[in-house]
Amino acid sequence: AQKVTQAQTEISVVEKEDVTLDCVYETRDTTYYLFWYKQPPSGELVFLIRRNSFDEQNEISGRYSWNFQKSTSSFNFTITASQVVDSAVYFCALSEANTDKLIFGTGTRLQVFP
Amino acid sequence: EPEVTQTPSHQVTQMGQEVILRCVPISNHLYFYWYRQILGQKVEFLVSFYNNEISEKSEIFDDQFSVERPDGSNFTLKIRSTKLEDSAMYFCASSEVGAGISGANVLTFGAGSRLTVL
Repeated sequence: AQKVTQAQTEISVVEKEDVTLDCVYETRDTTYYLFWYKQPPSGELVFLIRRNSFDEQNEISGRYSWNFQKSTSSFNFTITASQVVDSAVYFCALSEANTDKLIFGTGTRLQVFP
Repeated sequence: EPEVTQTPSHQVTQMGQEVILRCVPISNHLYFYWYRQILGQKVEFLVSFYNNEISEKSEIFDDQFSVERPDGSNFTLKIRSTKLEDSAMYFCASSEVGAGISGANVLTFGAGSRLTVL
């Protein structure tokens, strides 16, 4: 069965600190896709990244980086030098091949204080 | 940047009433979705729609729910006889391709329609 676990319900940091949001997934498929979405206070879901199961290369985009490790079924997200604007709920999600369905984790609320 | 627009942003209704939530997907997208998020909980898949028919639906999407693409631009979610537990944020999303074509589709979500059932 597919499942996404985000064990951290809420994280609070002070601006400029680095923060890592954890995501652990379960799937029996060998082909699958992992996503991170951001939900700012305004409520919309903003796509951040998609990885496929065959590409374990870590990715960096500005202050954001993602660490995909199949051995531990994890797809962690790190924000470097956090800013107040990073305050949001972050969702990790899983999609298996040939299904339209995204399975979301329960989300991690990140609060960045000035 | 193209976006998915949803109306209304907030709707309050009485239990038992019918509700229609509307969405305008991105114009060149062919796949459409509804998800919901009960307050403070995770986002849950309801249904996907392609070529004027449902391609996949979850166990949540029972006979109370229906979707329609009444014209070339709108995509609607109808909830018949609303219940208290239908109170949630409903997100519409669209994607250019479906999961079977390029692997996993990247969904663009709208800002959501908050439904409150009293």
